[in-house]
Amino acid sequence: KAGVTQTPRYLIKTRGQQVTLSCSPISGHRSVSWYQQTPGQGLQFLFEYFSETQRNKGNFPGRFSGRQFSNSRSEMNVSTLELGDSALYLCASSLIGSYEQYFGPGTRLTVT
Amino acid sequence: QQQVKQSPQSLIVQKGGISIINCAYENTAFDYFPWYQQFPGKGPALLIAIRPDVSEKKEGRFTISFNKSAKQFSLHIMDSQPGDSATYFCAGKAAGNKLTFGGGTRVLVKP
Repeated sequence: KAGVTQTPRYLIKTRGQQVTLSCSPISGHRSVSWYQQTPGQGLQFLFEYFSETQRNKGNFPGRFSGRQFSNSRSEMNVSTLELGDSALYLCASSLIGSYEQYFGPGTRLTVT
Repeated sequence: QQQVKQSPQSLIVQKGGISIINCAYENTAFDYFPWYQQFPGKGPALLIAIRPDVSEKKEGRFTISFNKSAKQFSLHIMDSQPGDSATYFCAGKAAGNKLTFGGGTRVLVKP
């Protein structure tokens, strides 16, 4: 069974631009969560989606948003990029009723 | 507020030795405690996990010890191998699937 896939793997953007990252969960997984990983703040929860509904949200500004589609694929969007948004963005998926979350390889975003 | 404190930040162990990583949590609503292993350039991989009604769980060379009253849990890596050199993260899960992670421990196993 294929793992969680994320596209693109690497991205370079300029301050003020916006970016959209994509995540395809493991087949059959309907819950998708997003995390930001930086050297300074570590791994931080962004949001979780289940059945196209946001179920949980972390402490990030409104510039960070996401959505989930009927096929469970998810996207996250960051508007008005700031230098501090440079990070590895990770997506994780899980089966409904299971606590186990499986991470993708991440998208490395660099904001210049 | 850092709800999961992980120590040490790094450790070096000889091949065949035991690596021990400790975590302490504050949120008593956590109901699931996983450990993840991350190699450079990769996403975290689920290693082993425990529920708070169990005091110990062992899977191969990896063991979690859990002390609910002290709000602490630890990962023991027995017979450490060079291939175990990675960064390890503990976490606690509260509402939904929200994971709160510790700061990570970089483990280096010397041959």
